[in-house]
Amino acid sequence: KQEVTQIPAALSVPEGENLVLNCSFTDSAIYNLQWFRQDPGKGLTSLLLIQSSQREQTSGRLNASLDKSSGRSTLYIAASQPGDSATYLCAVRSNSGGYQKVTFGIGTKLQVIP
Amino acid sequence: EAQVTQNPRYLITVTGKKLTVTCSQNMNHEYMSWYRQDPGLGLRQIYYSMNVEVTDKGDVPEGYKVSRKEKRNFPLILESPSPNQTSLYFCASSLGPGSTDTQYFGPGTRLTVL
Repeated sequence: KQEVTQIPAALSVPEGENLVLNCSFTDSAIYNLQWFRQDPGKGLTSLLLIQSSQREQTSGRLNASLDKSSGRSTLYIAASQPGDSATYLCAVRSNSGGYQKVTFGIGTKLQVIP
Repeated sequence: EAQVTQNPRYLITVTGKKLTVTCSQNMNHEYMSWYRQDPGLGLRQIYYSMNVEVTDKGDVPEGYKVSRKEKRNFPLILESPSPNQTSLYFCASSLGPGSTDTQYFGPGTRLTVL
């Protein structure tokens, strides 16, 4: 059964700092990994999707990497801003026993202090 | 505008009173899914559907039913709700279950079962 872990659970940084969020998964047979942000009381907004055959994806100040063999992904946020404050979730889509399942981590709650 | 809609957004009900949460997408997506989000447990997949009339269990299907009679709609049915089904529910869709397919989420339905 796929398990997804995100470290740290919470992070507080001063504005302007570069930071890294981590996601690890137990079964490397994945289709893709997707990073989301969730604002309090709101839905999920997709940030980046990395296919299993890719090593990284970039969008603006965000860069996500994937090392499938070691079961790890990182989300790098450059020059953090207070508007980046949110919970960041990673989700892994995989084939588990013939079922096309999606497994989420619990998330990293980020606070960027002005 | 491409979107996933859910109704109702908020619902308070009593134990045993059948209810349905609707989900609709206007992107002609084949893959749809339901999740529940609970503090400390993150998002967990309840059911998913690969296409019309094709549904499969996720990780926490007990107490829920789904149907997929039309491509755009994927309602979640609680035949006899119980207090442990109090949660925040999200519907999501993607073009397919493949490696390039980004998931899009609805705004969420907050359900309270008394």
